Amino acid sequence: NAGVTQTPKFQVLKTGQSMTLQCAQDMNHNSMYWYRQDPGMGLRLIYYSASEGTTDKGEVPNGYNVSRLNKREFSLRLESAAPSQTSVYFCASRVAYSGNTIYFGEGSWLTVV
Amino acid sequence: EDKVVQSPLSLVVHEGDTVTLNCSYEVTNFRSLLWYKQEKKAPTFLFMLTSSGIEKKSGRLSSILDKKELFSILNITATQTGDSAVYLCAVEDNNDMRFGAGTRLTVKP
Repeated sequence: NAGVTQTPKFQVLKTGQSMTLQCAQDMNHNSMYWYRQDPGMGLRLIYYSASEGTTDKGEVPNGYNVSRLNKREFSLRLESAAPSQTSVYFCASRVAYSGNTIYFGEGSWLTVV
Repeated sequence: EDKVVQSPLSLVVHEGDTVTLNCSYEVTNFRSLLWYKQEKKAPTFLFMLTSSGIEKKSGRLSSILDKKELFSILNITATQTGDSAVYLCAVEDNNDMRFGAGTRLTVKP
């Protein structure tokens, strides 16, 4: 049982390049999330998907897009990377929209130069 | 604006000490408060609290919520070097889960 799997684990991008972070969960969870974590700022929600077919903006959505491809997969796209998007990105999932704990992937370290 | 504030931001103790980590919050539609431990990679779940005054306990860790004063504490007794980590508090409202900045705990031998 892999839990939440995200790829790639490490990536270096040049300013203006695009890339997609992939996330898949095998726990049959309905809700999926993308967070970014920066030093001293905790985890901030970028986008979430309460259920298959829906996506909503979180606290810091600018510069990102998401796709809930199916129940298992939730991808995060940076269309034109900027140095301010250098961060650690975590994908997470949980059974239902609320009332249950959230499970995290291992993180993706992204550096934009 | 909704916010979650943790204190202290960092803490250095010696093995055997007892520590108390604090989390205060302001959210519009509170549902639950959660504590996570983060070592090198992904945060791992510790506790979920929904009711005031009911202590959750797991080994040397315990936590309690005060919904009137809008805060929670996480206690760790007889600390060990393996407790060194960032401890994250998160508060769930109707829309999402908002995290605090975390408390970095360092336990020295």
